[in-house]
Amino acid sequence: GQNIDQPTEMTATEGAIVQINCTYQTSGFNGLFWYQQHAGEAPTFLSYNVLDGLEEKGRFSSFLSRSKGYSYLLLKELQMKDSASYLCAVMDSNYQLIWGAGTKLIIKP
Amino acid sequence: DAGVTQSPTHLIKTRGQHVTLRCSPISGHKSVSWYQQVLGQGPQFIFQYYEKEERGRGNFPDRFSARQFPNYSSELNVNALLLGDSALYLCASSPGTGDNEKLFFGSGTQLSVL
Repeated sequence: GQNIDQPTEMTATEGAIVQINCTYQTSGFNGLFWYQQHAGEAPTFLSYNVLDGLEEKGRFSSFLSRSKGYSYLLLKELQMKDSASYLCAVMDSNYQLIWGAGTKLIIKP
Repeated sequence: DAGVTQSPTHLIKTRGQHVTLRCSPISGHKSVSWYQQVLGQGPQFIFQYYEKEERGRGNFPDRFSARQFPNYSSELNVNALLLGDSALYLCASSPGTGDNEKLFFGSGTQLSVL
């Protein structure tokens, strides 16, 4: 079966750095997406990786290792507004998105 | 430009009833996808439509159906509602021109089945 694993909840301090991991087992791979979802709101796109390596976009970076079935989202200089759920999603061989359950990130002052 | 719009925002139904949810994609987008998100879980894929044709279907019962109109808006219909259908229903649009496109989500319809 297809499976995406990410931690259920993480806590970090304002101004610090946090890394959210995602491991996946899917039928085929056509890219990995990270989305941010604030409570009661729609998911919003953060990043897309299809090749191995690190993609940096401002305070957010995303890393992919296809051989290990592993990705992480790195958030730097954490702000209170970064408190949200972070969803990892993999596009499988049928070009359908398979979603993880999300990681709830709690930022403390 | 308006983003993806969904209606209604909230809906309360009773078991056995039928519901229709509506979605208007971003102007110029030809692909619409529907997802079901239960609290505390990631979205589950229901349907994808492109140019009025079904492009993909998730593992949902036949009680779930959808269609896309010539203006690329879409409806999701659910018959014989069950308590377990209570969820946030998300619509996402994309241009539809490539396979690895990012999705733009609407704010969702929160469906409660009593």
